[in-house]
Amino acid sequence: GQQLNQSPQSMFIQEGEDVSMNCTSSSIFNTWLWYKQDPGEGPVLLIALYKAGELTSNGRLTAQFGITRKDSFLNISASIPSDVGIYFCAGVTSGTYKYIFGTGTRLKVLA
Amino acid sequence: GAVVSQHPSRVICKSGTSVKIECRSLDFQATTMFWYRQFPKQSLMLMATSNEGSKATYEQGVEKDKFLINHASLTLSTLTVTSAHPEDSSFYICSARALGEREGNTIYFGEGSWLTVV
Repeated sequence: GQQLNQSPQSMFIQEGEDVSMNCTSSSIFNTWLWYKQDPGEGPVLLIALYKAGELTSNGRLTAQFGITRKDSFLNISASIPSDVGIYFCAGVTSGTYKYIFGTGTRLKVLA
Repeated sequence: GAVVSQHPSRVICKSGTSVKIECRSLDFQATTMFWYRQFPKQSLMLMATSNEGSKATYEQGVEKDKFLINHASLTLSTLTVTSAHPEDSSFYICSARALGEREGNTIYFGEGSWLTVV
């Protein structure tokens, strides 16, 4: 099945550092979303983006919908240990409601 | 927020048997539900789109006769893995689309169901 390319694949960071990850696609999407998944659980929505160029924040999280509609990034500022997990981007094509997920970024925070 | 519940959360079955996983929207009506499969350390792969009262739409490469999907009501979809084999062992996650909300923010995920075929 189709997947979005997400990078980095994994990262170790020190507590307090900022984190950045991005997602790229060969296809255009009308909506981009970012999810966090803890082991053995379903994904939880962090941020939803609906317009090209849109920049949205949710606490320490900031995400942007790329102008070309083919990419998005997620930033986490001042990371804390509970930020550990797998982060997935997802793209949605208008009218289908089908979510295409990225390959995931595993984040590990060192206290 | 909206809640989607999956049952069972974990199931172990013998090779060759069938297993049913339920996906329920607890406090909203869902005309569309989606079934995903996730292997360890991998991403979620969409298997099929389940529409209430009609046949499911399967993604390319997903065997519809092996993964039977039934969406009999606005709050329940079931995935039945027929004649399960060890390679079917995986984490199965459903999501449900809530009516009347903005696209992109309308999908709610279940907690997932671990299937182990021995």
